[in-house]
Amino acid sequence: DVKVTQSSRYLVKRTGEKVFLECVQDMDHENMFWYRQDPGLGLRLIYFSYDVKMKEKGDIPEGYSVSREKKERFSLILESASTNQTSMYLCASSFPGIYEQYFGPGTRLTVT
Amino acid sequence: ILNVEQSPQSLHVQEGDSTNFTCSFPSSNFYALHWYRWETAKSPEALFVMTLNGDEKKKGRISATLNTKEGYSYLYIKGSQPEDSATYLCAFIVSSGGGADGLTFGKGTHLIIQP
Repeated sequence: DVKVTQSSRYLVKRTGEKVFLECVQDMDHENMFWYRQDPGLGLRLIYFSYDVKMKEKGDIPEGYSVSREKKERFSLILESASTNQTSMYLCASSFPGIYEQYFGPGTRLTVT
Repeated sequence: ILNVEQSPQSLHVQEGDSTNFTCSFPSSNFYALHWYRWETAKSPEALFVMTLNGDEKKKGRISATLNTKEGYSYLYIKGSQPEDSATYLCAFIVSSGGGADGLTFGKGTHLIIQP
């Protein structure tokens, strides 16, 4: 079974803190993705990566950066957390092309 | 940003009834369409990956059709059961040549099956 894990299920941070969200997958997938899910807005793509050290902006990259130093790990970084980044963050991975994505359990981040 | 529309937003269905809902997407540069089921407190799970116009896929009581020329897909659930209660998401991939684009998701149809 494909497994995608995220470092925390719940996280509370203060405004201005630097926040790291970690995602690890064990299926040797080339592609990895970060989404955020907000009520009424659905899942929105923040960044994705199709190879180690490669990254592409998604629809809402502002305020975020990413890092992919190893194939199995994709990190989302909030350089200076703000309250409007309070959300559910979901990581996913897949093989390239049309293939389905496998999602992690999500991290509910609250920025106070 | 691509626009993927799902309707209805929410749906209450009696147990045993059949139901269907719609995903509309841009018909140009179509690459693939995914359907996911997202149950409360769980992760989204893929139901179908659809690529060809006229595709019909089936998994148990759930099936889906695809019309890429007019830009829509239908998801059907036959004989709804309480365990079918979930949010159903469709997601669209545009061909970029690289085949590595992220999905653009619709906002989902929230299905509640009433006993």
